[in-house]
Amino acid sequence: QSVLTQPPSVSGAPGQRVTISCTGSSSNIGAGYDVHWYQQLPGTAPKLLIYDNRKRPSGVPDRFSGSKSGTSASLAITGLQAEDEADYYCQSYDNSPYWVFGGGTRLTVL
Amino acid sequence: EVQLVESGGGLVQPGGSLRLSCAVSGFSLGDYDMYWVRQGIGKGLEWVSMIGYAGDTYYPGSVKGRFTISRESAKKSLYLQMNSLRAGDTAVYFCARAFGSSFDLWGQGTLVTVAS
Repeated sequence: QSVLTQPPSVSGAPGQRVTISCTGSSSNIGAGYDVHWYQQLPGTAPKLLIYDNRKRPSGVPDRFSGSKSGTSASLAITGLQAEDEADYYCQSYDNSPYWVFGGGTRLTVL
Repeated sequence: EVQLVESGGGLVQPGGSLRLSCAVSGFSLGDYDMYWVRQGIGKGLEWVSMIGYAGDTYYPGSVKGRFTISRESAKKSLYLQMNSLRAGDTAVYFCARAFGSSFDLWGQGTLVTVAS
């Protein structure tokens, strides 16, 4: 099982807002390490979506936002679109084994 | 163009060895920490190795002592030598570039299948 815990799936209708949670512990998120989020479309490599908890790389729409509090983090997607259907992973750093991921969340656009 | 291209995957028997390569273009290998991350079929992402720009290396317990990450900056290549392979090592292996503690650039991945 993954060091960071994510819900296996979430869903929403076009135009709606969805959130994906990422729960860690005192050795990773709770220790102050940054949380990053990746989007993985079917059959492709992961793409950096949010870094350092809430920053967006160039080209990522502002419909995607991130937040962090305590031992958890969240990814929010507003104005849901069909093209957002993908797997989403959170990632952080841990005292051991260093770089850790969540188990991934499958987003279905209804 | 800035990109990473993996190669070297394939079918290998349990206990066998394989060396993966990652060709780098558009930036200097020696300026970045680099990683290998794998994804089992239908599963999540797992970090498997890291080489710092200073040459320091790190591995999780699941592969430590069996996998070795290295690089040749002149050849613009990152490598992952995998020995004593097990069925549980079957996965798509991605090379990735560090951006702080995140990974901002990924290759397309190469599939490693460990089976008899």
